[in-house]
Formats: sequence, structure tokens, C-alpha cells
Amino acid sequence: DAGVIQSPRHEVTEMGQEVTLRCKPISGHDYLFWYRQTMMRGLELLIYFNNNVPIDDSGMPEDRFSAKMPNASFSTLKIQPSEPRDSAVYFCASSLAPGSNEQFFGPGTRLTVL
Amino acid sequence: QQQVKQSPQSLIVQKGGISIINCAYENTAFDYFPWYQQFPGKGPALLIAIRPDVSEKKEGRFTISFNKSAKQFSLHIMDSQPGDSATYFCAARRNNAGNMLTFGGGTRLMVKP
Repeated sequence: DAGVIQSPRHEVTEMGQEVTLRCKPISGHDYLFWYRQTMMRGLELLIYFNNNVPIDDSGMPEDRFSAKMPNASFSTLKIQPSEPRDSAVYFCASSLAPGSNEQFFGPGTRLTVL
Repeated sequence: QQQVKQSPQSLIVQKGGISIINCAYENTAFDYFPWYQQFPGKGPALLIAIRPDVSEKKEGRFTISFNKSAKQFSLHIMDSQPGDSATYFCAARRNNAGNMLTFGGGTRLMVKP
């Protein structure tokens, strides 16, 4: 298996622009998680899905952030409009249904908002 | 609200030494405590994990010690090697929250040759 795939790996954009981050989870995994990592706040859970349904989005910082999972093999995290404080590394992770606790992380997308 | 507190933030150890990273939690509903290892430019990866019904788990040079009454757990890396240099995160999962993890703030470990 190729593992969790994220694209793009690096994104540089200007303030006010829309940014879309993409994730392909490991085939057969029922859970998908979006995290944000910064030096100041560490690794924060933004939202997670179970069987394509958003379960907990309490970590989404504000309405500028939205996430979708249209099918079991694809998810997006969108920021519109982007701001410099959104600069961070965004990780997607997936895991099997309860009973298998390991989360498998993708390589991350490094976002820089100028 | 930081539900899992991790210390130290950074740690420097000589090759062959013991690295110790500590975590504390408050929520007694946590039922699974993993440690993740992250190398620069990579995503975190599961290193070792423990459930609260045991006090210690060992895998090779890595050991988790768990103190349920104190609500603390720690990672010990024996015979630390330069290849162990990475950021380590402790985490905890609530027993009614799917596979959602709450992570500690991370410890950047450097093992000097």
C-alpha cells in the first residue's frame, strides 16, 4: 500500500487566496483525520470523519476552514480566504475502525501564506 | 485546553544514554496511550502504545511506564542512538471518541554521537 497520500507537498499563496489541500487515505480505513502542526500550538486535530461523515469539527479554527469527504478515498481541506496565521504543516491521517488504534499519517502539506 | 501535558520540550542526550520523556493527563476517560515519533519532513508514526491495565510495556529499546493513580506515563529510550533524534509526541484517546487522539506538545530529542 502506498500509505496516506497528500497533495500538494508544498503550497505558497498570498493572503486572501483560496487554498485546497487534498488527501487520499489508506484503502479500507474508515477514519480520516486532519491535523495542523505549528511550533506554537503543536499538533492540533481539526476535524475527523468516520465512513465519510464528519464526526467532530470542534478543532476547526473558524469559518474560513471547511473539510469534505465525498467518498472513501478522497478528502479536502479548504481555507478561504487564507491568512498568514494559517501558515503551518497540515497532516492527514487515517485508521481502521475501532479495535485498531493506530493512525497512519501522510507526509503533510507545508502551507505558507504570504 | 491542553489535556495532555508533555515535558521536556527539548532534550539532548549522549549516545548510549537514557532518554526520558514524561506526560501527564487529567481526563480519566482516556483508555489508550500511544507515543508517536516524527522525523523532520515526515508525518508522525506510531512507536509504541499502552493501555491503562498494565504498568509497563517494552519493545526493544523503547519502554512505556504508566502510573494510573498519578495519571502519568513516560517513554524511556535505552541506549539512545543518533538515529533516535526526532520529535516525540505522547497522546491519549478517550474511550468513547472513536479513534480521536489528543496529542501532547512534543519533545525534540537530539542524541549526540
